Amino acid sequence: DVKVTQSSRYLVKRTGEKVFLECVQDMDHENMFWYRQDPGLGLRLIYFSYDVKMKEKGDIPEGYSVSREKKERFSLILESASTNQTSMYLCASSGPGTRNTEAFFGQGTRLTVV
Amino acid sequence: GDSVTQMEGPVTLSEEAFLTINCTYTATGYPSLFWYVQYPGEGLQLLLKATKADDKGSNKGFEATYRKETTSFHLEKGSVQVSDSAVYFCALTSGNTPLVFGKGTRLSVIA
Repeated sequence: DVKVTQSSRYLVKRTGEKVFLECVQDMDHENMFWYRQDPGLGLRLIYFSYDVKMKEKGDIPEGYSVSREKKERFSLILESASTNQTSMYLCASSGPGTRNTEAFFGQGTRLTVV
Repeated sequence: GDSVTQMEGPVTLSEEAFLTINCTYTATGYPSLFWYVQYPGEGLQLLLKATKADDKGSNKGFEATYRKETTSFHLEKGSVQVSDSAVYFCALTSGNTPLVFGKGTRLSVIA
């Protein structure tokens, strides 16, 4: 079975902390994505990557960075967490290409910044 | 840029009622269209998809037809069950771009 695994279901962090959200996929997919999900706003794309060591900004990259050192792992980094980054974070992968291909999602990480 | 507009919820239906969730899109070129479903406490999973005009995607009793002339991809089910209670997202990808999602529609089905 296809699997995208996010390292934590729930996280509570303090304002100003550096936060790492990890995502691993076992499908040998080229493409990986980070979205955040907020009520009334749907899913918004933060960053994505089409290959190892490659990254592209999505619609709302401010306050975030990413790392993709290995094909199967895509990390989202909150450099200095703020309360407005409290949200559900969803990782996804797909491949090859993006046309006609579905994305597979992890179970999500609910992050609370206090 | 590409965008997806879907009907706002929440939608509350009785069991065995007919369901329609409207979805329209704006895209350059010829997008592929998707419906995803998110059950409580879970990530998103693909419900169905269509990759070209007039294609019909179907799964678990749900259907949606890719209508290029009306730029729509409405989700329908003839008889909903309590277990269909979830949030439904319409999405598209165009060319070599990541998925663009609508804001989601929460469906509650009561027995």
